[in-house]
Amino acid sequence: KNEVEQSPQNLTAQEGEFITINCSYSVGISALHWLQQHPGGGIVSLFMLSSGKKKHGRLIATINIQEKHSSLHITASHPRDSAVYICAVLSLMNYGGSQGNLIFGKGTKLSVKP
Amino acid sequence: DTGVSQDPRHKITKRGQNVTFRCDPISEHNRLYWYRQTLGQGPEFLTYFQNEAQLEKSRLLSDRFSAERPKGSFSTLEIQRTEQGDSAMYLCASSRGLLLPDTHYFGPGTRLTVL
Repeated sequence: KNEVEQSPQNLTAQEGEFITINCSYSVGISALHWLQQHPGGGIVSLFMLSSGKKKHGRLIATINIQEKHSSLHITASHPRDSAVYICAVLSLMNYGGSQGNLIFGKGTKLSVKP
Repeated sequence: DTGVSQDPRHKITKRGQNVTFRCDPISEHNRLYWYRQTLGQGPEFLTYFQNEAQLEKSRLLSDRFSAERPKGSFSTLEIQRTEQGDSAMYLCASSRGLLLPDTHYFGPGTRLTVL
């Protein structure tokens, strides 16, 4: 079983729809990242969360530490939002000291149709 | 701040050849990470530097792989005697490393194809 699971794997939406991508993890974490990867490979960090909720433009990320679950929401989706969205966690076992690498989910491929 | 850069962006090589990739992190970022991503999968951790010290290596990093960060700035990742299974996107990321947890800044990646 992967330490980080995302759902759905693939998501197709119509422009303007509200989108939710979910991430569940099985390890204790110090932080969770939501990343965006466009075709060609470049990855952009959208959010880093340790608790609660963050908002940036049309993107909202929430995390529930007790339930080990995070969601990424996109309001008023647009074709330019089409990308792979990746959840990654910094586990407590890798926190501080000499470690700090991320554990990644497999990603959710989002396609927004005009 | 010009972001993390990687060179080359694409590399095609024949099985058995050696390849070397370079990563230039954001200046003054202490931490530098190498990840590998195969098609349809999320990235997997390979190795990590704090300044010039290589502090962690994944089991994925066989003895054919070696990484360096000689002056605590740019890093190189070398793969010797490449195999077709090495075909992947190799991603580099850097972070400030001063206060944990820490935002990663990713480079564009180097896509390796081994024929």
